[in-house]
Amino acid sequence: GQQVMQIPQYQHVQEGEDFTTYCNSSTTLSNIQWYKQRPGGHPVFLIQLVKSGEVKKQKRLTFQFGEAKKNSSLHITATQTTDVGTYFCAGVRAAGNKLTFGGGTRVLVKP
Amino acid sequence: DGGITQSPKYLFRKEGQNVTLSCEQNLNHDAMYWYRQDPGQGLRLIYYSQIVNDFQKGDIAEGYSVSREKKESFPLTVTSAQKNPTAFYLCASSTTSQRGAFFGQGTRLTVV
Repeated sequence: GQQVMQIPQYQHVQEGEDFTTYCNSSTTLSNIQWYKQRPGGHPVFLIQLVKSGEVKKQKRLTFQFGEAKKNSSLHITATQTTDVGTYFCAGVRAAGNKLTFGGGTRVLVKP
Repeated sequence: DGGITQSPKYLFRKEGQNVTLSCEQNLNHDAMYWYRQDPGQGLRLIYYSQIVNDFQKGDIAEGYSVSREKKESFPLTVTSAQKNPTAFYLCASSTTSQRGAFFGQGTRLTVV
């Protein structure tokens, strides 16, 4: 079945530094979505990428969808303490409607 | 206000009992999902539904059952056949599977 993997599992970042988290699917995707879950909370939708090679920005967050539509990345610049949480990618297969989540990247920010 | 509501927030049950978790949305969304999250882990799909009276098994459907009799409601029953039911259960909905999903606040189920 479809698998979505994320690396790294944990990311300890010094405040002000940049980091990137990566998402890889075992199958070609129709679209990929990114979510953020704060500690003790529920996932909140951030963005959806649909086109091959697509790049979208939200303030300090840059999202990219790979050319083959099997991988994606999230890059955060100038990390702040408000960025703490777990970032999940979720893929939808081209041939189906199932939304499959990756294992997430847990981000801790050192002030 | 439009949204997706899960109840209760915390639920305790004795081992061997079935328990039903509620999920209601007033967003007029067609698609609804149930996920399970264990401490420090990702979200695993239990069941999903694209339209009323239709649903599909996710990756970990064993020991769970659902119904979709109304567009607004997608209750999840955790049966006694589920070997490790203690977990955080999240319900979500979306316009279709091709759009971002909105999540409820979740239900933390503890089976003792």
